Amino acid sequence: DTGVSQDPRHKITKRGQNVTFRCDPISEHNRLYWYRQTLGQGPEFLTYFQNEAQLEKSRLLSDRFSAERPKGSFSTLEIQRTEQGDSAMYLCASSLGVRDEQYFGPGTRLTVT
Amino acid sequence: AQRVTQPEKLLSVFKGAPVELKCNYSYSGSPELFWYVQYSRQRLQLLLRHISRESIKGFTADLNKGETSFHLKKPFAQEEDSAMYYCALITGANNLFFGTGTRLTVIP
Repeated sequence: DTGVSQDPRHKITKRGQNVTFRCDPISEHNRLYWYRQTLGQGPEFLTYFQNEAQLEKSRLLSDRFSAERPKGSFSTLEIQRTEQGDSAMYLCASSLGVRDEQYFGPGTRLTVT
Repeated sequence: AQRVTQPEKLLSVFKGAPVELKCNYSYSGSPELFWYVQYSRQRLQLLLRHISRESIKGFTADLNKGETSFHLKKPFAQEEDSAMYYCALITGANNLFFGTGTRLTVIP
């Protein structure tokens, strides 16, 4: 197990297009988190899953964003009708359980032109 | 609402000098604080958490509830300590709330 992986690592898209990112957590980690990081800021929480259940969503997660974790393993984050303000690094993290250490993936850098 | 403040965006120290990265927080509940570090071209990783009271890579951090601070300290900085450091607070929902980070540069 090489840790949390994310795909793609970079994505350039035109405004208005839809994009989907994938996160593969560490095996047997029940919790999976999505964060967004913009230039000069720390990561900001977007949403998290306990197994396949999405338990919390930040108000940063507008209606254009949707996340799934269909079988409690990998997760996808989709952004519809991308805007330039969506340009950021999208980070995924996983943990074994409540309050356990969160392990981060390398991130997906999205650039919306 | 929770808040984590790291007042210094950039901090430079000479090798062998003491280093202190400041972190202040605001949270209505019982705080649990962390320091995360990101070395060049590596992913974000946990450095230490206050409940473990450990010293990792020579770094320590003490939670001061009176001053609402969780400053990160090391008595003798090393070149390999150059990195981006983030202070973070965990909320009741187990979500990390990060500060804006401090970029530490250790000058040889």
